[in-house]
Amino acid sequence: KNQVEQSPQSLIILEGKNCTLQCNYTVSPFSNLRWYKQDTGRGPVSLTIMTFSENTKSNGRYTATLDADTKQSSLHITASQLSDSASYICVVSAPTYSGAGSYQLTFGKGTKLSVIP
Amino acid sequence: NAGVTQTPKFRVLKTGQSMTLLCAQDMNHEYMYWYRQDPGMGLRLIHYSVGEGTTAKGEVPDGYNVSRLKKQNFLLGLESAAPSQTSVYFCASSYTGEEVDGPYGYTFGSGTRLTVV
Repeated sequence: KNQVEQSPQSLIILEGKNCTLQCNYTVSPFSNLRWYKQDTGRGPVSLTIMTFSENTKSNGRYTATLDADTKQSSLHITASQLSDSASYICVVSAPTYSGAGSYQLTFGKGTKLSVIP
Repeated sequence: NAGVTQTPKFRVLKTGQSMTLLCAQDMNHEYMYWYRQDPGMGLRLIHYSVGEGTTAKGEVPDGYNVSRLKKQNFLLGLESAAPSQTSVYFCASSYTGEEVDGPYGYTFGSGTRLTVV
């Protein structure tokens, strides 16, 4: 069964500090991996997306890494800001070979990050 | 460009009542999806559509029906609401069904919070 496990479940950090969120997956075959940010009461918004051939990808203060061999990804947030307080969701995509060109997304449960002043 | 719009944003139903959630997208996306998000769980796919006039079951379809009469709209119906359907519902759309970056990739709405009492 395809699974995506995220850790930690929740995290509290001081404003200005760095943090790293982890994502381990067992999805196979693998198409790509995306990190989403979900503010409270809002829908998920994409931060980065990586294919199996990409090792790292940055979006401002957010840097995602991917190790397709060990099936692990991390999201590093640099110089955190209060606005970074949100849930961060790791999503892994796999083709379903259903003939309709559809892909199956497996969502992690998310890491709830709180940045405090 | 509104992206994906969900209505209503909040709703309280009594057990046994029916309702329809509306999702509208203006990005000319072929694929549309309905997910539910529950505390401590990742997003789970309820139903999806790969084009106008088509629908298919996702991971948790029981108790829900959908229709895609127009390409831009995807409706989620609850015929007889149950407390177990208390959740936050997200609609998403994509151009090809593949998780890709940019405007062709997944775009989520802001959610509908449904409480069934």
